[in-house]
Amino acid sequence: DIQMTQSPSSLSASVGDRVTITCRASQSVSSYLNWYQQKPGKAPKLLIYTASDLQSGVPSRFSGSGSGTEFTLTISSLQPEDFATYYCQQSYSTPLTFGGGTKVDIK
Amino acid sequence: QVQLVQSGAEVKKPGASVKVSCKASGYTFIGYYMHWVRQAPGQGLEWMGWINPNSGGTNYAQKFQGRVTMTRDTSINTAYMELSGLRSDDTALYYCASILQALDALDFWGQGTMVTVSS
Repeated sequence: DIQMTQSPSSLSASVGDRVTITCRASQSVSSYLNWYQQKPGKAPKLLIYTASDLQSGVPSRFSGSGSGTEFTLTISSLQPEDFATYYCQQSYSTPLTFGGGTKVDIK
Repeated sequence: QVQLVQSGAEVKKPGASVKVSCKASGYTFIGYYMHWVRQAPGQGLEWMGWINPNSGGTNYAQKFQGRVTMTRDTSINTAYMELSGLRSDDTALYYCASILQALDALDFWGQGTMVTVSS
């Protein structure tokens, strides 16, 4: 199984901050890396697919980059509605696997 | 519009089985695999497997092999996930999800079904 490791596991930030979350895969997943946002009591919401493609309807302040084993999710200017938990997920091979999550809360 | 509507919360005793349903609407049900993902309270996301609604073919995570069965009823556009031999650590929110538009990413999710295993 491909292990996905996210860092940090949590971070505190202020509105307007630039936030970067890292995801590392235990082996290459090419560009088959997706990012989700989850708010309490809600299903995950797809933000970025295939490493850098922005899902329809997602604000352009979200961006993704990377390939192979190292990926980043960047929020260019954090907004109040962005406080949530973020997960990476590889779709290169089954079993699909998720990172442990990064909780972004208010500083 | 696309909707995945899941069945309601369940409380089960250890050793019992649970069957969760996921009714799809707004798209061609048999055209897209249905995945199941679970999330224990306060924990991360765990993929359980998928079913091909067209053929009925399945692909289960090894962790759940022998305990999980995914089926579908194409006449009512509904997928099912049955988990047997329930243990307390199966207490979780169970989601169905599908890949409809985004390449290889779960872009539509059900609302989740809470399954509580308690004696």
